[in-house]
Amino acid sequence: EAQVTQNPRYLITVTGKKLTVTCSQNMNHEYMSWYRQDPGLGLRQIYYSMNVEVTDKGDVPEGYKVSRKEKRNFPLILESPSPNQTSLYFCASSLNGRGYGYTFGSGTRLTVV
Amino acid sequence: GNSVTQMEGPVTLSEEAFLTINCTYTATGYPSLFWYVQYPGEGLQLLLKATKADDKGSNKGFEATYRKETTSFHLEKGSVQVSDSAVYFCALIPPNAGNNRKLIWGLGTSLAVNP
Repeated sequence: EAQVTQNPRYLITVTGKKLTVTCSQNMNHEYMSWYRQDPGLGLRQIYYSMNVEVTDKGDVPEGYKVSRKEKRNFPLILESPSPNQTSLYFCASSLNGRGYGYTFGSGTRLTVV
Repeated sequence: GNSVTQMEGPVTLSEEAFLTINCTYTATGYPSLFWYVQYPGEGLQLLLKATKADDKGSNKGFEATYRKETTSFHLEKGSVQVSDSAVYFCALIPPNAGNNRKLIWGLGTSLAVNP
Protein backbone atom coordinates (compact mmCIF):
# COMPACT_ATOMS: atom_id res chain seq x y z
CA GLU A 1 0.00 0.00 0.00
CA ALA A 2 1.29 3.43 -0.99
CA GLN A 3 1.75 5.47 2.14
CA VAL A 4 3.71 7.93 4.22
CA THR A 5 4.55 6.56 7.64
CA GLN A 6 5.26 8.87 10.55
CA ASN A 7 6.39 7.89 14.01
CA PRO A 8 5.54 8.37 16.76
CA ARG A 9 1.85 9.33 16.63
CA TYR A 10 1.98 10.95 20.04
CA LEU A 11 4.92 12.29 22.00
CA ILE A 12 5.21 14.18 25.27
CA THR A 13 8.66 15.47 26.08
CA VAL A 14 10.43 18.01 28.24
CA THR A 15 12.02 21.26 27.18
CA GLY A 16 15.50 20.82 25.78
CA LYS A 17 15.44 17.05 25.24
CA LYS A 18 16.40 16.29 21.65
CA LEU A 19 13.89 14.31 19.64
CA THR A 20 13.40 12.97 16.13
CA VAL A 21 10.14 12.38 14.30
CA THR A 22 10.61 9.87 11.52
CA CYS A 23 8.95 9.96 8.12
CA SER A 24 9.18 7.33 5.41
CA GLN A 25 7.44 6.98 2.05
CA ASN A 26 7.26 3.93 -0.22
CA MET A 27 6.23 5.64 -3.46
CA ASN A 28 9.66 6.70 -4.74
CA HIS A 29 8.56 10.32 -4.48
CA GLU A 30 11.17 12.99 -5.00
CA TYR A 31 9.51 15.82 -3.09
CA MET A 32 8.97 15.67 0.67
CA SER A 33 7.91 18.30 3.14
CA TRP A 34 7.09 18.90 6.81
CA TYR A 35 4.16 20.98 8.03
CA ARG A 36 2.89 21.97 11.41
CA GLN A 37 -0.77 22.59 12.14
CA ASP A 38 -1.85 25.03 14.83
CA PRO A 39 -5.35 26.33 15.68
CA GLY A 40 -6.04 29.65 14.01
CA LEU A 41 -2.79 29.53 12.04
CA GLY A 42 -3.56 26.65 9.74
CA LEU A 43 -0.81 24.58 8.14
CA ARG A 44 2.63 26.06 7.78
CA GLN A 45 5.60 24.54 6.02
CA ILE A 46 8.72 23.89 8.09
CA TYR A 47 11.18 22.36 5.59
CA TYR A 48 11.08 20.71 2.22
CA SER A 49 13.32 18.49 0.14
CA MET A 50 13.51 18.24 -3.64
CA ASN A 51 15.59 15.06 -3.61
CA VAL A 52 18.38 13.29 -1.76
CA GLU A 53 20.73 15.79 -0.10
CA VAL A 54 18.62 18.75 -1.30
CA THR A 55 16.70 20.47 1.50
CA ASP A 56 15.62 24.03 2.17
CA LYS A 57 13.67 26.14 4.63
CA GLY A 58 9.96 26.69 4.52
CA ASP A 59 8.01 29.36 6.37
CA VAL A 60 8.79 28.40 9.97
CA PRO A 61 12.15 26.57 10.10
CA GLU A 62 13.48 28.01 13.37
CA GLY A 63 14.21 25.30 15.93
CA TYR A 64 14.04 22.44 13.44
CA LYS A 65 16.49 20.45 11.35
CA VAL A 66 15.96 17.89 8.62
CA SER A 67 18.05 15.52 6.57
CA ARG A 68 17.48 13.56 3.35
CA LYS A 69 20.18 10.92 3.14
CA GLU A 70 17.89 8.44 1.39
CA LYS A 71 15.04 9.14 -0.97
CA ARG A 72 12.43 7.41 1.19
CA ASN A 73 13.27 9.01 4.57
CA PHE A 74 12.92 12.60 5.75
CA PRO A 75 13.25 12.86 9.54
CA LEU A 76 12.41 16.03 11.47
CA ILE A 77 14.82 16.83 14.30
CA LEU A 78 14.17 19.12 17.23
CA GLU A 79 17.56 19.69 18.84
CA SER A 80 16.24 21.58 21.87
CA PRO A 81 12.43 21.52 21.90
CA SER A 82 10.53 24.38 23.49
CA PRO A 83 6.86 24.67 24.50
CA ASN A 84 6.07 26.81 21.42
CA GLN A 85 6.85 23.75 19.31
CA THR A 86 3.87 21.96 20.79
CA SER A 87 1.84 21.21 17.67
CA LEU A 88 0.49 18.63 15.26
CA TYR A 89 3.12 17.73 12.66
CA PHE A 90 2.59 16.24 9.22
CA CYS A 91 5.03 14.79 6.75
CA ALA A 92 4.01 14.80 3.08
CA SER A 93 5.42 13.49 -0.16
CA SER A 94 4.69 14.09 -3.82
CA LEU A 95 5.96 12.74 -7.12
CA ASN A 96 6.96 16.20 -8.29
CA GLY A 97 5.20 18.67 -5.99
CA ARG A 98 2.95 20.15 -8.64
CA GLY A 99 -0.30 18.81 -10.03
CA TYR A 100 -0.08 15.33 -8.54
CA GLY A 101 -0.98 16.43 -5.06
CA TYR A 102 0.55 15.25 -1.84
CA THR A 103 0.23 12.14 0.29
CA PHE A 104 0.29 12.92 3.99
CA GLY A 105 1.30 10.88 6.99
CA SER A 106 -1.11 10.36 9.88
CA GLY A 107 0.47 13.09 11.95
CA THR A 108 2.51 13.37 15.14
CA ARG A 109 1.00 15.20 18.07
CA LEU A 110 3.91 16.67 20.03
CA THR A 111 3.62 18.22 23.46
CA VAL A 112 6.64 19.95 24.98
CA VAL A 113 6.35 20.69 28.70
CA GLY B 1 0.99 37.17 -2.93
CA ASN B 2 -0.67 33.80 -3.16
CA SER B 3 -3.52 33.05 -0.78
CA VAL B 4 -6.62 30.91 -0.26
CA THR B 5 -9.79 32.04 1.46
CA GLN B 6 -12.40 29.58 2.66
CA MET B 7 -15.78 30.16 4.18
CA GLU B 8 -15.66 30.03 7.94
CA GLY B 9 -17.27 27.19 9.79
CA PRO B 10 -18.55 25.34 11.47
CA VAL B 11 -21.09 24.18 8.95
CA THR B 12 -23.84 21.99 10.37
CA LEU B 13 -26.14 20.05 8.07
CA SER B 14 -28.67 17.29 8.28
CA GLU B 15 -28.02 14.02 6.50
CA GLU B 16 -28.87 14.13 2.77
CA ALA B 17 -28.60 17.92 2.63
CA PHE B 18 -26.70 19.70 -0.15
CA LEU B 19 -23.23 20.94 0.74
CA THR B 20 -21.30 23.89 -0.62
CA ILE B 21 -18.02 25.09 0.88
CA ASN B 22 -16.74 28.21 -0.80
CA CYS B 23 -13.09 28.65 -1.72
CA THR B 24 -11.52 31.55 -3.57
CA TYR B 25 -7.89 32.11 -4.32
CA THR B 26 -5.37 34.75 -5.25
CA ALA B 27 -2.53 33.73 -7.54
CA THR B 28 -0.99 34.78 -10.81
CA GLY B 29 -1.40 32.46 -13.74
CA TYR B 30 -2.95 29.02 -13.33
CA PRO B 31 -2.27 27.38 -9.98
CA SER B 32 -3.06 23.75 -9.25
CA LEU B 33 -6.04 23.55 -6.88
CA PHE B 34 -6.83 20.93 -4.26
CA TRP B 35 -9.33 19.94 -1.63
CA TYR B 36 -8.04 17.94 1.32
CA VAL B 37 -10.11 16.37 4.09
CA GLN B 38 -9.13 15.69 7.68
CA TYR B 39 -11.32 13.24 9.57
CA PRO B 40 -11.27 13.44 13.38
CA GLY B 41 -7.97 12.21 14.75
CA GLU B 42 -6.54 11.44 11.32
CA GLY B 43 -4.16 12.92 8.82
CA LEU B 44 -4.91 14.87 5.67
CA GLN B 45 -6.24 13.05 2.64
CA LEU B 46 -6.38 14.38 -0.89
CA LEU B 47 -10.07 14.56 -1.81
CA LEU B 48 -9.88 15.98 -5.32
CA LYS B 49 -7.81 18.25 -7.55
CA ALA B 50 -7.84 20.30 -10.72
CA THR B 51 -4.87 21.63 -12.61
CA LYS B 52 -6.34 23.83 -15.34
CA ALA B 53 -9.26 26.14 -15.91
CA ASP B 54 -12.70 24.50 -16.26
CA ASP B 55 -11.37 21.17 -14.98
CA LYS B 56 -13.76 19.41 -12.62
CA GLY B 57 -12.29 17.31 -9.86
CA SER B 58 -14.51 14.64 -8.32
CA ASN B 59 -14.26 11.90 -5.72
CA LYS B 60 -16.62 10.14 -3.28
CA GLY B 61 -19.57 12.23 -4.51
CA PHE B 62 -17.73 15.52 -3.99
CA GLU B 63 -17.08 17.87 -6.91
CA ALA B 64 -15.26 21.14 -7.50
CA THR B 65 -14.78 23.11 -10.71
CA TYR B 66 -11.76 25.30 -11.41
CA ARG B 67 -13.22 28.71 -12.29
CA LYS B 68 -10.54 31.07 -13.52
CA GLU B 69 -12.93 33.96 -14.15
CA THR B 70 -14.08 34.00 -10.52
CA THR B 71 -10.83 32.55 -9.07
CA SER B 72 -12.90 29.97 -7.23
CA PHE B 73 -12.88 26.23 -6.49
CA HIS B 74 -16.04 25.63 -4.48
CA LEU B 75 -16.61 22.16 -3.02
CA GLU B 76 -20.05 20.60 -3.48
CA LYS B 77 -21.83 17.39 -2.61
CA GLY B 78 -25.42 16.62 -3.44
CA SER B 79 -26.28 14.53 -0.38
CA VAL B 80 -24.03 14.48 2.66
CA GLN B 81 -23.71 11.60 5.11
CA VAL B 82 -22.78 11.52 8.78
CA SER B 83 -19.46 9.98 7.71
CA ASP B 84 -18.61 13.19 5.81
CA SER B 85 -18.17 15.03 9.11
CA ALA B 86 -14.62 16.36 8.94
CA VAL B 87 -12.54 19.45 8.32
CA TYR B 88 -12.12 20.42 4.68
CA PHE B 89 -9.13 22.38 3.41
CA CYS B 90 -8.78 24.20 0.11
CA ALA B 91 -5.21 24.62 -1.11
CA LEU B 92 -3.17 25.66 -4.12
CA ILE B 93 0.31 25.30 -5.57
CA PRO B 94 1.33 28.39 -7.56
CA PRO B 95 2.38 27.87 -11.18
CA ASN B 96 5.64 29.70 -10.58
CA ALA B 97 6.47 27.75 -7.44
CA GLY B 98 10.10 27.16 -8.33
CA ASN B 99 11.83 24.61 -6.15
CA ASN B 100 9.55 25.06 -3.15
CA ARG B 101 6.27 23.65 -4.42
CA LYS B 102 4.55 24.15 -1.12
CA LEU B 103 0.84 24.08 -0.65
CA ILE B 104 -0.81 27.38 0.18
CA TRP B 105 -3.67 26.52 2.54
CA GLY B 106 -7.01 27.90 3.54
CA LEU B 107 -7.79 27.75 7.26
CA GLY B 108 -10.22 24.88 6.89
CA THR B 109 -13.98 24.53 7.23
CA SER B 110 -15.41 22.19 9.82
CA LEU B 111 -18.45 20.21 8.69
CA ALA B 112 -20.76 18.38 11.08
CA VAL B 113 -23.53 16.22 9.62
CA ASN B 114 -26.36 15.20 11.93
CA PRO B 115 -28.45 12.05 11.39
